[in-house]
Order: sequence, then C-alpha cells, then structure tokens
Amino acid sequence: EPEVTQTPSHQVTQMGQEVILRCVPISNHLYFYWYRQILGQKVEFLVSFYNNEISEKSEIFDDQFSVERPDGSNFTLKIRSTKLEDSAMYFCASSVGQGAGNTEAFFGQGTRLTVV
Amino acid sequence: AQSVSQHNHHVILSEAASLELGCNYSYGGTVNLFWYVQYPGQHLQLLLKYFSGDPLVKGIKGFEAEFIKSKFSFNLRKPSVQWSDTAEYFCAVNARGNYGQNFVFGPGTRLSVLP
Repeated sequence: EPEVTQTPSHQVTQMGQEVILRCVPISNHLYFYWYRQILGQKVEFLVSFYNNEISEKSEIFDDQFSVERPDGSNFTLKIRSTKLEDSAMYFCASSVGQGAGNTEAFFGQGTRLTVV
Repeated sequence: AQSVSQHNHHVILSEAASLELGCNYSYGGTVNLFWYVQYPGQHLQLLLKYFSGDPLVKGIKGFEAEFIKSKFSFNLRKPSVQWSDTAEYFCAVNARGNYGQNFVFGPGTRLSVLP
C-alpha cells in the first residue's frame, strides 16, 4: 500500500539553527500539506501546496517557514531559524484531490522536532 | 473560515461500553468530513470519511459516523469499544471542490478504554 514517508523521524536542533524536514508524498498525489502537533495539543494546519506553489497557509506559517518541491518526489519544510516553540511533531500529508477535491489526506509518520 | 469542535476532551470507558464522540463544524458550503485516529506514538490514520450519499458511513474497526446536515454534526460511534481503541480521535473537515483546500482538524478527543 502506498504511503507518505518522512525523514528524519526525530530531529534535535539548537535554537536559531535551520532545519529541513523531508517528505515523500504518494506518487500520484497532487496536493501536499504540512501540519504540526505540539505535544498534547491539536493538529494545526501550516501550509498546502499545489501545482508548485503554496495554495493556502496559516498564521503559523510566517517568514521563518518555507516549502519546496525540489524534484518530482520530495516535499520539504524548512524552518530558517528555529525557536523553542517550534518543537512539535510535524506531519506531512498528501491527497489526490483532483478536480472536485473529494479525497482524504494520507499522513506520514511524522518528524518529531526538538529545539533546545 | 471553517472550524471544527469536538465535544469531549477526554472520554474514559470500560471495555464493551458504547461510544459516541461528538463533532460539529461551521462552514457555509459543502464539506467532506473525516474521522482520523492517532494511536499512541503513531501517525494519523483515516477511520472513515463522508463525501456524499448515505449519511451513515461505516469505517474500519467497527466504527461508524452519521452526518446530520441540519445540525452540522458528524458524530462517531462504536457499539462496543475494546482496549485497543485507546487513542486520540480527530474530526476533520475539508471544503469540497476547492483546490488545495486544507483539512481543518478539531482539537481531538482522547479515548481511554479500561480493560
């Protein structure tokens, strides 16, 4: 069964450092998403990406964040200068969503980011 | 903007008890509705989804949910829970027909099933 894969599973970084979280969406999917979940809290939307551009982003997704699809398979989330409050589980998701958009999102296993 | 609310933060049940988790959403248009489950230490997995048609949808592991349009609700039910159902449950909404539309999640309900 196809799945969304994320690497690394756990990343520890010092405050102020840049991190790149990597995701490989399901191959025939067209829509890609990043969500985060701070420990014990709700799943929060960060950004959605379609046709090589951001289609929607939340207030959390400020100038410190960026996304990229550098090739045909990877979808990355970069945090330029990490803060302690960026510590969270980051989930990548993808969906087929063509046309009517009637599809579910498939989530990866997540990357636990710990900023120290 | 869409929003999703879930009635209970934490539900504690004994095995074999019946379960109903409430979910309400606010959105003026047509929506797709989902329930995701997150087992301890794992990622989000789809339990069931509603796009159109029969408002009573059946998902995996004996779960079902009913879409009541007039109440903007999509409550999750299971007639008899098991210890292995202990997890966090998230209701989610996606506005139908919008390109790249994100999935809006509720705050989650933690279910603890006592053996």
